Amino acid sequence: NAGVTQTPKFQVLKTGQSMTLQCAQDMNHNSMYWYRQDPGMGLRLIYYSASEGTTDKGEVPNGYNVSRLNKREFSLRLESAAPSQTSVYFCASIPTPGTGMGQPQHFGDGTRLSIL
Amino acid sequence: GQQVMQIPQYQHVQEGEDFTTYCNSSTTLSNIQWYKQRPGGHPVFLIQLVKSGEVKKQKRLTFQFGEAKKNSSLHITATQTTDVGTYFCRFTGGGNKLTFGTGTQLKVEL
Repeated sequence: NAGVTQTPKFQVLKTGQSMTLQCAQDMNHNSMYWYRQDPGMGLRLIYYSASEGTTDKGEVPNGYNVSRLNKREFSLRLESAAPSQTSVYFCASIPTPGTGMGQPQHFGDGTRLSIL
Repeated sequence: GQQVMQIPQYQHVQEGEDFTTYCNSSTTLSNIQWYKQRPGGHPVFLIQLVKSGEVKKQKRLTFQFGEAKKNSSLHITATQTTDVGTYFCRFTGGGNKLTFGTGTQLKVEL
């Protein structure tokens, strides 16, 4: 089972370039999430999509946009990359929204993004 | 707003020593989850705690949820090199906003 697939795995950009990080899950999950991970900062939520057709800001949304293309796919776009966006980006999903009772998040392997 | 502190940030232990990481919240949590991330890997779910005062064990790992549901701990007895990684708590920051603690990086030396 593929689970959560992220592409690309690595990317180097120049300041000001744009790019889209792709995420797809094959588990029929409703909710999807984008996090960035920096040393000593843990995982910080960028955007999430509780269900198809909805997106909401997380802790650090500035400089990013997202698209929930369909139930399977949730993309993250950097319109004008900045060195401060150098990070490891993780996509995650859970089966249903409304996590009062909690559900394990399933993570992709991450995209390692460097911006020069 | 809700604040969750995870301590310590780093921990170096000798193999065989015990290890504990703590998550402390300024507000009551509905539930808390713990994840482990191996170096170069992605977070992997370990366990969920829901009830006040709950204690769960997985082999050498013991997880606790405080009586007031404002704090939680993960304790590893007799660490092994396979325990190396970063341990995160995760909680619901309102609705579907799933938020992680800052993590505790564990290094185990032989």
